[in-house]
Amino acid sequence: QVQLQESGPGLVRPSETLSLTCIVSGGSISSYYWSWIRQPPGKGLEWIGYIYYSGSTNYNPSLKSRLTISVDTSKNQLSLKLRSVTAADTAMYYCARVTTLTYGEYFHLWGQGTLVTVSS
Amino acid sequence: DIQMTQSPSSLSASVGDRVTITCRASQIISTYLNWYQQKPGKAPKLLIYSASTLQSGVPSRFSGSGSGTDFTLTIRSLQPEDFATYYCQQSYSSPRTFGQGSKVEI
Repeated sequence: QVQLQESGPGLVRPSETLSLTCIVSGGSISSYYWSWIRQPPGKGLEWIGYIYYSGSTNYNPSLKSRLTISVDTSKNQLSLKLRSVTAADTAMYYCARVTTLTYGEYFHLWGQGTLVTVSS
Repeated sequence: DIQMTQSPSSLSASVGDRVTITCRASQIISTYLNWYQQKPGKAPKLLIYSASTLQSGVPSRFSGSGSGTDFTLTIRSLQPEDFATYYCQQSYSSPRTFGQGSKVEI
């Protein structure tokens, strides 16, 4: 079955760029929307943004100025880059496959998440 | 942004109890409402989508209802594995937003 696996550096210095990858296995990245969602320690969930396999994106306005989400269909993976990070960006970062409906959509398949800590 | 407000934020319950969690949207979202369950150290798991459709494989003791701005997640007879945090999420407009979570404790 389809599995998602996030990976990243774990620790990022303030003001630097956070870079994460989500590898999709057991199925194709094509024909789906993919999303990044994060969760600060002990807190709730925050939607970061979407990417369609074709490359079109939709970002959370609160992060848009610092955010780039991309997809590499040849590697069956998606990536996230968040620039100029601060301690407020410390969180568990999840990638998820989106199932779209005629009305609405939902986050169907989730990776296990990767914890990113922003600290000097 | 659409604000999603859940109540209660936490509750204590016993095995066999009927549990109800409510979610209120700051504007009308029709039935563009999903529910997720999250256990400690795990990713969220989809329970219900489109306000009332049970995801495949989810036990029938879970049910969802509502439309417009007010929604409910009900667990008919709480089981030990149901102790977790539950989140609602709207897919009506961007940015997608989640409720703050409702923790169900023993």
